[in-house]
Amino acid sequence: GQQVMQIPQYQHVQEGEDFTTYCNSSTTLSNIQWYKQRPGGHPVFLIQLVKSGEVKKQKRLTFQFGEAKKNSSLHITATQTTDVGTYFCAGRDNTDKLIFGTGTRLQVFP
Amino acid sequence: KAGVTQTPRYLIKTRGQQVTLSCSPISGHRSVSWYQQTPGQGLQFLFEYFSETQRNKGNFPGRFSGRQFSNSRSEMNVSTLELGDSALYLCASSLRTGESFGANVLTFGAGSRLTVL
Repeated sequence: GQQVMQIPQYQHVQEGEDFTTYCNSSTTLSNIQWYKQRPGGHPVFLIQLVKSGEVKKQKRLTFQFGEAKKNSSLHITATQTTDVGTYFCAGRDNTDKLIFGTGTRLQVFP
Repeated sequence: KAGVTQTPRYLIKTRGQQVTLSCSPISGHRSVSWYQQTPGQGLQFLFEYFSETQRNKGNFPGRFSGRQFSNSRSEMNVSTLELGDSALYLCASSLRTGESFGANVLTFGAGSRLTVL
């Protein structure tokens, strides 16, 4: 079945540093979604990308969908302590199940 | 409007027992998905229901089952509990309008944390 891997698994950064997580699917995705889960919380939707090569920005967050629609990235500029959490990508497989990536846990030190 | 409501929030069971978890979706949302979250395995898809029909099922044993009612509320049941079933069970609802499901976004509930002793 489809696998969605994310790297890195963990990332510790100093506040103000940049952060990037990468998402790779074993199959082509029709679209990709990103979610954030704060410690002790539940996943919350951030954004959805649909088009090949699409780039979307939300303030300090930049999301990109690969040309082949098999990978995606999330880049955070100048991290803040409020960015702490686990970031998941999610894509639908060929049976329309929404499969979540393995997640990247971000820790930001003040 | 009210979010996705899951009950109970916490529960402790012993091996061999069964458990039923409930999920009330956002009003107007017709699709309910269930995920199991454990530290080692991340978010694993259990099943998805739409209009009282199971539309998709993940790779879990038959001990895991679910259903959806006419008001879109959903329940999942785990029978003959094992230690490895200890996890956070997350329910998510979405609009899932029409036959083109791909575009819909999930809204998660706070989860039901199950501990099996």
